[in-house]
Amino acid sequence: AQSVTQLDSHVSVSEGTPVLLRCNYSSSYSPSLFWYVQHPNKGLQLLLKYTSAATLVKGINGFEAEFKKSETSFHLTKPSAHMSDAAEYFCVVTLISNSNSGYALNFGKGTSLLVTP
Amino acid sequence: EAGVTQFPSHSVIEKGQTVTLRCDPISGHDNLYWYRRVMGKEIKFLLHFVKESKQDESGMPNNRFLAERTGGTYSTLKVQPAELEDSGVYFCASSQVSQNDEQFFGPGTRLTVL
Repeated sequence: AQSVTQLDSHVSVSEGTPVLLRCNYSSSYSPSLFWYVQHPNKGLQLLLKYTSAATLVKGINGFEAEFKKSETSFHLTKPSAHMSDAAEYFCVVTLISNSNSGYALNFGKGTSLLVTP
Repeated sequence: EAGVTQFPSHSVIEKGQTVTLRCDPISGHDNLYWYRRVMGKEIKFLLHFVKESKQDESGMPNNRFLAERTGGTYSTLKVQPAELEDSGVYFCASSQVSQNDEQFFGPGTRLTVL
């Protein structure tokens, strides 16, 4: 089975400092991994995705994540937090699908990021 | 281009009543997914349509939930009769026909069952 564990339910950083949101995955095969973000009253938005190409994945808004197979991790980072980064972040892995035309997503519990001035 | 839209944004009903949620995917997206987030829990997959066909409904919790996608455009998710544990946020997502295509999510419908 494919699953993800987000190690922190809440993270608080000061504006301008680095962001680290941790995610570990469990998969019986080489997974596709994603980070999604949800701002208040908005839909989920894809930040970045890993699909077995480069292990360091760059996403939108300055975020990036590194796939580390040896550590089964896919942590999300950003060098300098901005107030607008305050949101809930979800680490996601694909579920095995019996369809060749799409795939279901398996979400972590989410990490709420608070950015203080 | 319009994104995924969901209606209503909020719904408050009493236990035993029926509620129908609607999702309009991005035009041209054959894949349509329903997910649900119950309070304090993860977002969970419910089911997946390819056009009008149910491709995977392994996440549907029980037979009180019925999803349809007549004509392969918009989809409805009906809960009948609603129970207290059905409260949560129901998300819809759509994508083009490819395993690697991004899923675009709607803002969700917040359902409260009293």
